[in-house]
Amino acid sequence: NAGVTQTPKFQVLKTGQSMTLQCAQDMNHEYMSWYRQDPGMGLRLIHYSVGAGITDQGEVPNGYNVSRSTTEDFPLRLLSAAPSQTSVYFCASSYSGRAGEAFFGQGTRLTVV
Amino acid sequence: KQEVTQIPAALSVPEGENLVLNCSFTDSAIYNLQWFRQDPGKGLTSLLLIQSSQREQTSGRLNASLDKSSGRSTLYIAASQPGDSATYLCAVAPRGSTLGRLYFGRGTQLTVWP
Repeated sequence: NAGVTQTPKFQVLKTGQSMTLQCAQDMNHEYMSWYRQDPGMGLRLIHYSVGAGITDQGEVPNGYNVSRSTTEDFPLRLLSAAPSQTSVYFCASSYSGRAGEAFFGQGTRLTVV
Repeated sequence: KQEVTQIPAALSVPEGENLVLNCSFTDSAIYNLQWFRQDPGKGLTSLLLIQSSQREQTSGRLNASLDKSSGRSTLYIAASQPGDSATYLCAVAPRGSTLGRLYFGRGTQLTVWP
Protein backbone atom coordinates (compact mmCIF):
# COMPACT_ATOMS: atom_id res chain seq x y z
CA ASN A 1 0.00 0.00 0.00
CA ALA A 2 1.85 3.09 -1.27
CA GLY A 3 -0.41 5.70 0.39
CA VAL A 4 0.31 9.21 -0.91
CA THR A 5 3.17 9.48 -3.41
CA GLN A 6 4.76 12.77 -4.43
CA THR A 7 7.24 13.37 -7.21
CA PRO A 8 9.81 14.76 -7.52
CA LYS A 9 11.38 14.84 -4.05
CA PHE A 10 13.68 17.74 -4.92
CA GLN A 11 13.57 20.38 -7.65
CA VAL A 12 15.48 23.52 -8.51
CA LEU A 13 13.82 26.00 -10.86
CA LYS A 14 14.84 29.27 -12.36
CA THR A 15 12.59 32.27 -11.89
CA GLY A 16 9.88 32.26 -14.54
CA GLN A 17 9.98 28.54 -15.25
CA SER A 18 6.89 26.40 -14.87
CA MET A 19 6.56 22.91 -13.51
CA THR A 20 4.09 20.39 -12.15
CA LEU A 21 4.35 18.67 -8.79
CA GLN A 22 2.74 15.27 -8.94
CA CYS A 23 0.61 13.67 -6.24
CA ALA A 24 -1.08 10.28 -6.37
CA GLN A 25 -2.95 8.28 -3.75
CA ASP A 26 -4.11 4.68 -3.91
CA MET A 27 -6.61 4.73 -1.02
CA ASN A 28 -9.63 5.88 -3.06
CA HIS A 29 -9.82 9.05 -0.97
CA GLU A 30 -12.26 11.75 -2.00
CA TYR A 31 -10.46 14.65 -0.45
CA MET A 32 -6.99 15.81 -1.53
CA SER A 33 -5.10 18.96 -0.74
CA TRP A 34 -1.80 20.76 -1.16
CA TYR A 35 0.07 22.54 1.62
CA ARG A 36 3.30 24.44 1.72
CA GLN A 37 5.55 24.45 4.76
CA ASP A 38 7.80 27.40 5.47
CA PRO A 39 10.01 28.07 8.50
CA GLY A 40 8.11 30.04 11.14
CA MET A 41 4.87 29.87 9.13
CA GLY A 42 3.67 26.34 9.69
CA LEU A 43 1.67 24.54 7.01
CA ARG A 44 -0.62 26.60 4.83
CA LEU A 45 -3.32 25.32 2.50
CA ILE A 46 -2.82 26.13 -1.21
CA HIS A 47 -5.64 24.28 -3.02
CA TYR A 48 -7.91 21.38 -2.29
CA SER A 49 -10.32 19.04 -4.04
CA VAL A 50 -13.36 17.19 -2.73
CA GLY A 51 -13.58 14.83 -5.71
CA ALA A 52 -12.78 14.41 -9.38
CA GLY A 53 -13.60 17.57 -11.26
CA ILE A 54 -14.03 19.72 -8.13
CA THR A 55 -11.29 22.01 -6.84
CA ASP A 56 -11.14 25.18 -4.80
CA GLN A 57 -8.67 27.66 -3.39
CA GLY A 58 -7.12 27.54 0.02
CA GLU A 59 -5.27 30.16 2.00
CA VAL A 60 -2.37 30.89 -0.40
CA PRO A 61 -3.48 29.99 -3.95
CA ASN A 62 -1.78 32.73 -5.98
CA GLY A 63 0.73 31.43 -8.51
CA TYR A 64 -0.59 27.87 -8.42
CA ASN A 65 -3.12 25.90 -10.46
CA VAL A 66 -4.68 22.53 -9.83
CA SER A 67 -7.00 20.12 -11.58
CA ARG A 68 -8.48 16.78 -10.59
CA SER A 69 -9.37 14.57 -13.53
CA THR A 70 -9.21 11.29 -11.57
CA THR A 71 -9.75 10.26 -7.96
CA GLU A 72 -6.12 9.18 -7.67
CA ASP A 73 -4.20 12.19 -8.98
CA PHE A 74 -4.02 15.82 -7.90
CA PRO A 75 -1.15 17.69 -9.60
CA LEU A 76 -0.05 21.17 -8.55
CA ARG A 77 1.19 23.49 -11.28
CA LEU A 78 3.47 26.44 -10.78
CA LEU A 79 2.76 28.81 -13.62
CA SER A 80 5.79 31.10 -13.44
CA ALA A 81 8.06 30.25 -10.53
CA ALA A 82 9.15 33.00 -8.15
CA PRO A 83 11.71 32.90 -5.30
CA SER A 84 8.80 33.33 -2.86
CA GLN A 85 7.62 29.88 -3.90
CA THR A 86 10.74 28.27 -2.47
CA SER A 87 9.23 25.91 0.07
CA VAL A 88 8.45 22.32 0.93
CA TYR A 89 5.19 21.16 -0.61
CA PHE A 90 3.04 18.44 0.86
CA CYS A 91 0.10 16.64 -0.66
CA ALA A 92 -2.50 15.10 1.65
CA SER A 93 -5.58 12.95 1.24
CA SER A 94 -8.43 11.72 3.42
CA TYR A 95 -11.55 9.62 2.95
CA SER A 96 -13.82 12.32 4.27
CA GLY A 97 -12.65 15.92 4.45
CA ARG A 98 -14.63 16.58 7.60
CA ALA A 99 -13.78 13.71 9.86
CA GLY A 100 -11.32 11.48 8.11
CA GLU A 101 -7.73 10.85 9.05
CA ALA A 102 -5.36 12.78 6.81
CA PHE A 103 -2.38 11.08 5.19
CA PHE A 104 0.56 13.03 3.83
CA GLY A 105 3.13 12.43 1.15
CA GLN A 106 6.87 12.71 1.75
CA GLY A 107 7.05 16.21 0.33
CA THR A 108 8.71 18.03 -2.55
CA ARG A 109 11.50 20.43 -1.64
CA LEU A 110 11.44 23.22 -4.23
CA THR A 111 14.06 25.91 -4.63
CA VAL A 112 13.50 28.80 -7.03
CA VAL A 113 16.64 30.75 -7.93
CA LYS B 1 -10.15 32.07 12.27
CA GLN B 2 -8.95 28.99 14.07
CA GLU B 3 -5.54 29.39 15.69
CA VAL B 4 -3.52 26.47 16.97
CA THR B 5 -0.70 26.89 19.46
CA GLN B 6 1.80 24.30 20.60
CA ILE B 7 3.83 24.59 23.75
CA PRO B 8 6.71 24.15 24.23
CA ALA B 9 8.33 24.93 20.89
CA ALA B 10 11.26 22.71 21.78
CA LEU B 11 11.90 20.09 24.42
CA SER B 12 15.04 18.15 25.29
CA VAL B 13 14.82 15.25 27.72
CA PRO B 14 16.88 12.21 28.76
CA GLU B 15 15.79 8.79 27.64
CA GLY B 16 13.15 7.13 29.80
CA GLU B 17 11.23 10.25 30.82
CA ASN B 18 7.49 10.51 30.47
CA LEU B 19 6.58 13.73 28.73
CA VAL B 20 3.60 15.82 27.72
CA LEU B 21 3.21 17.95 24.63
CA ASN B 22 0.50 20.59 24.61
CA CYS B 23 -1.79 21.85 21.87
CA SER B 24 -4.44 24.54 22.24
CA PHE B 25 -6.97 25.85 19.74
CA THR B 26 -9.20 28.89 19.81
CA ASP B 27 -12.48 27.55 18.39
CA SER B 28 -13.94 24.47 20.04
CA ALA B 29 -16.21 23.70 17.06
CA ILE B 30 -14.08 21.00 15.44
CA TYR B 31 -14.63 17.68 13.69
CA ASN B 32 -11.42 16.15 14.93
CA LEU B 33 -7.86 16.74 16.10
CA GLN B 34 -4.90 14.87 14.72
CA TRP B 35 -1.34 14.47 15.99
CA PHE B 36 1.48 14.03 13.50
CA ARG B 37 5.16 13.26 13.69
CA GLN B 38 7.64 14.83 11.27
CA ASP B 39 11.24 13.67 10.99
CA PRO B 40 13.79 16.08 9.47
CA GLY B 41 13.38 16.31 5.71
CA LYS B 42 10.44 13.91 5.76
CA GLY B 43 6.68 14.03 5.47
CA LEU B 44 4.06 13.98 8.18
CA THR B 45 3.17 10.65 9.76
CA SER B 46 -0.22 10.40 11.43
CA LEU B 47 0.05 9.27 15.04
CA LEU B 48 -3.43 9.64 16.51
CA LEU B 49 -6.79 10.95 15.38
CA ILE B 50 -9.36 12.02 17.99
CA GLN B 51 -12.91 12.63 16.81
CA SER B 52 -14.80 15.47 18.47
CA SER B 53 -16.98 13.01 20.37
CA GLN B 54 -13.97 11.23 21.88
CA ARG B 55 -11.89 12.14 24.93
CA GLU B 56 -8.72 10.20 24.19
CA GLN B 57 -6.92 7.80 21.90
CA THR B 58 -4.03 5.47 22.62
CA SER B 59 -1.43 3.83 20.44
CA GLY B 60 1.41 2.00 22.11
CA ARG B 61 3.35 4.44 24.28
CA LEU B 62 1.33 7.38 22.98
CA ASN B 63 -1.85 8.73 24.51
CA ALA B 64 -3.66 11.79 23.25
CA SER B 65 -6.49 13.51 25.08
CA LEU B 66 -8.98 16.08 23.89
CA ASP B 67 -10.90 18.65 25.94
CA LYS B 68 -13.00 20.57 23.44
CA SER B 69 -14.58 22.88 25.97
CA SER B 70 -11.22 24.26 26.99
CA GLY B 71 -9.69 24.00 23.51
CA ARG B 72 -6.84 21.76 24.60
CA SER B 73 -5.19 18.52 23.63
CA THR B 74 -2.20 16.79 25.14
CA LEU B 75 0.06 14.12 23.70
CA TYR B 76 1.58 11.94 26.38
CA ILE B 77 4.67 9.93 25.49
CA ALA B 78 5.62 7.25 27.99
CA ALA B 79 9.16 6.03 28.55
CA SER B 80 10.66 8.21 25.84
CA GLN B 81 13.37 6.82 23.53
CA PRO B 82 15.95 8.48 21.27
CA GLY B 83 13.90 7.25 18.32
CA ASP B 84 11.07 9.51 19.47
CA SER B 85 13.16 12.54 18.50
CA ALA B 86 11.18 14.45 15.88
CA THR B 87 8.84 17.41 15.50
CA TYR B 88 5.30 16.77 16.70
CA LEU B 89 2.46 18.69 15.06
CA CYS B 90 -1.17 18.93 16.01
CA ALA B 91 -3.91 19.91 13.58
CA VAL B 92 -7.62 20.56 13.94
CA ALA B 93 -10.40 20.21 11.38
CA PRO B 94 -12.82 23.03 12.25
CA ARG B 95 -16.55 22.94 11.60
CA GLY B 96 -17.95 25.63 9.38
CA SER B 97 -14.67 26.13 7.57
CA THR B 98 -13.31 25.11 4.20
CA LEU B 99 -14.16 21.44 3.83
CA GLY B 100 -11.30 19.34 5.12
CA ARG B 101 -9.15 22.32 5.95
CA LEU B 102 -6.65 21.51 8.65
CA TYR B 103 -5.20 24.19 10.87
CA PHE B 104 -1.74 23.31 12.14
CA GLY B 105 0.29 24.38 15.09
CA ARG B 106 3.96 25.16 14.51
CA GLY B 107 5.06 22.03 16.29
CA THR B 108 7.13 20.92 19.24
CA GLN B 109 10.66 19.83 18.39
CA LEU B 110 11.52 16.94 20.69
CA THR B 111 15.01 15.65 21.36
CA VAL B 112 15.47 12.55 23.49
CA TRP B 113 19.10 11.92 24.39
CA PRO B 114 20.58 8.61 25.56
